[in-house]
Amino acid sequence: GESVGLHLPTLSVQEGDNSIINCAYSNSASDYFIWYKQESGKGPQFIIDIRSNMDKRQGQRVTVLLNKTVKHLSLQIAATQPGDSAVYFCAENTGNQFYFGTGTSLTVIP
Amino acid sequence: DAGVIQSPRHEVTEMGQEVTLRCKPISGHNSLFWYRQTMMRGLELLIYFNNNVPIDDSGMPEDRFSAKMPNASFSTLKIQPSEPRDSAVYFCASSLSPVIGELFFGEGSRLTVL
Repeated sequence: GESVGLHLPTLSVQEGDNSIINCAYSNSASDYFIWYKQESGKGPQFIIDIRSNMDKRQGQRVTVLLNKTVKHLSLQIAATQPGDSAVYFCAENTGNQFYFGTGTSLTVIP
Repeated sequence: DAGVIQSPRHEVTEMGQEVTLRCKPISGHNSLFWYRQTMMRGLELLIYFNNNVPIDDSGMPEDRFSAKMPNASFSTLKIQPSEPRDSAVYFCASSLSPVIGELFFGEGSRLTVL
């Protein structure tokens, strides 16, 4: 029978190119955001976080941009590598809970 | 630190059986979370504890699910009786705070109910 499930957005990039993964969050009161990376068969791993009083934060090869006006978050990965292939989730914190988005599947083409 | 430790990694059981999933959080972390991940619904928060006390269990699907945290280093998630729709990967995560900072996830327990 037909399987029904979440249709993860997918992104395919060439190795060495930059990747941009987008996330729309729902609650304008959310004040803290995290990007997670989940490789197959593993739990989500922290990549980078940002508080609502910032609009940009940089890490090693990654940058998170926050646009509170349109409730949009993005993750930019520079010089994407095969090891970056995974599902990426954004999570928003509202008060005392983290809510996760549905995720984006990133495939890096060697 | 060994990170968040979950057991079992895989469990296959028959409908109606009791299932117990276990979690050891990172030492010193005050908050512990149980999540369920499925293709249908993604990553869902089931319950979280702060200082061993359940704070919000509104995500627990129904009375068949229960979670306990008898001490700071151990938590269980129990399903009794289990049903095929409970098949999922169950993640435990811990953090220093429930409101800020990184959630550290375990490797997950993949449950299959036949």
